[in-house]
Amino acid sequence: SSELTQDPVVSVALGQTVRITCQGDIFRHHYASWYQQKPGQAPVLVLYGENIRPSGIPDRFSGSRSGNTSSLTITGTQAEDEADYYCNSRDSSGNHRVFGPGTKVTLL
Amino acid sequence: QVQLVESGGGVVQPGRSLRLSCAASGFAFRSSAMHWARQAPGKGLEWVAVISFDGGNDYYADSVKGRFTISRDNSKNTLDLQMNSLRADDTAVYYCVRETEYCSFTGCSYPFDHWGQGTLVTVSS
Repeated sequence: SSELTQDPVVSVALGQTVRITCQGDIFRHHYASWYQQKPGQAPVLVLYGENIRPSGIPDRFSGSRSGNTSSLTITGTQAEDEADYYCNSRDSSGNHRVFGPGTKVTLL
Repeated sequence: QVQLVESGGGVVQPGRSLRLSCAASGFAFRSSAMHWARQAPGKGLEWVAVISFDGGNDYYADSVKGRFTISRDNSKNTLDLQMNSLRADDTAVYYCVRETEYCSFTGCSYPFDHWGQGTLVTVSS
């Protein structure tokens, strides 16, 4: 199975831009999916594919991929964006799924 | 709209069994791969198991393989997780999740686009 790595915590000032990364060899072949989770709530899909947002997700969320790293960028971070963010993908076998350990986005 | 409603959680002693269920509505259940994922208190998300749209294939995380069984009934739009030989480290909120697939010429993505609200399983004596 594949492993994914994420920074545990990133901090950002209100209105600024924050980039959350997820590293894994699987991203040389597949795209990550990204989830936002707030305390006491179920995760919510915020981005997938090369840069696709589900309905209702603000356009300040965007994605990119380079080599073995997938990134989620929040441009003009709002207070409601403070949350945990997880990446996930299939593993190299294609049968299992794997989540990154999560990144907590905190406001300065 | 898509709804996934889990049930069956509770407190169970180590070594005992528990069966979780998920009632699905608002989408073509029989066409969707379905998963269970879990989250231990204060910890990150962990993928548990997947079952193909027709129930013909299922795969498990190493941590639950041989103890948990995922199943589905496409006539009733339900997804189940039979959990045997439960351990303290199985304590978690368990989520029922729908997977979709998106592919372009540059690659594919398999997002979990809908999640249930979760059901808490506590394994404790």
